Amino acid sequence: ILNVEQSPQSLHVQEGDSTNFTCSFPSSNFYALHWYRWETAKSPEALFVMTLNGDEKKKGRISATLNTKEGYSYLYIKGSQPEDSATYLCALESNYQLIWGAGTKLIIKP
Amino acid sequence: ETGVTQSPTHLIKTRGQQVTLRCSSQSGHNTVSWYQQALGQGPQFIFQYYREEENGRGNFPPRFSGLQFPNYSSELNVNALELDDSALYLCASSYSGSRLAETQYFGPGTRLLVL
Repeated sequence: ILNVEQSPQSLHVQEGDSTNFTCSFPSSNFYALHWYRWETAKSPEALFVMTLNGDEKKKGRISATLNTKEGYSYLYIKGSQPEDSATYLCALESNYQLIWGAGTKLIIKP
Repeated sequence: ETGVTQSPTHLIKTRGQQVTLRCSSQSGHNTVSWYQQALGQGPQFIFQYYREEENGRGNFPPRFSGLQFPNYSSELNVNALELDDSALYLCASSYSGSRLAETQYFGPGTRLLVL
């Protein structure tokens, strides 16, 4: 059974600072690594889907990297803004299902 | 917003009862997946339907069942409710269950409380 871990569990960051957090998984066969952003009372929002070792994706101030050989993905947020406050979840795609981490809850302090 | 809707938003049931949750997929999507999220955990995969057929199932007992209709809307049915079934239930639609690395678009979820 694949196990996906995210760290830290929660993070308080000052507005304007940059931050990053980690998604770890066994470096075995899987199809893709997904990142989602989930604000309270809203739907999870897809950020990135990555498949290849060394993949790097960017969307505005948010970017992500994937290392399949060592089994981790980093999500970076540059110049944090209050609207970045959310829970960020990663999920491993295997056999058509998503196997999720528990998320990193990010709180931006103004 | 994703265009995926779920109903109801909240629901309270008692142990032993049955519940039906509904999901309307994003236009053009033929695949729907259902997830259960207990408090403090990541979502757990229940099952996926592709073109009205079950396409994969997670580690959930048979009292969790589903349907996908010709218009690709979907239902999740849970029989003989247990207290541990209290959770947020999410559905997600995608363009094609036969393709890999496909983005899944989520609804806002149904919060179920079993007393």
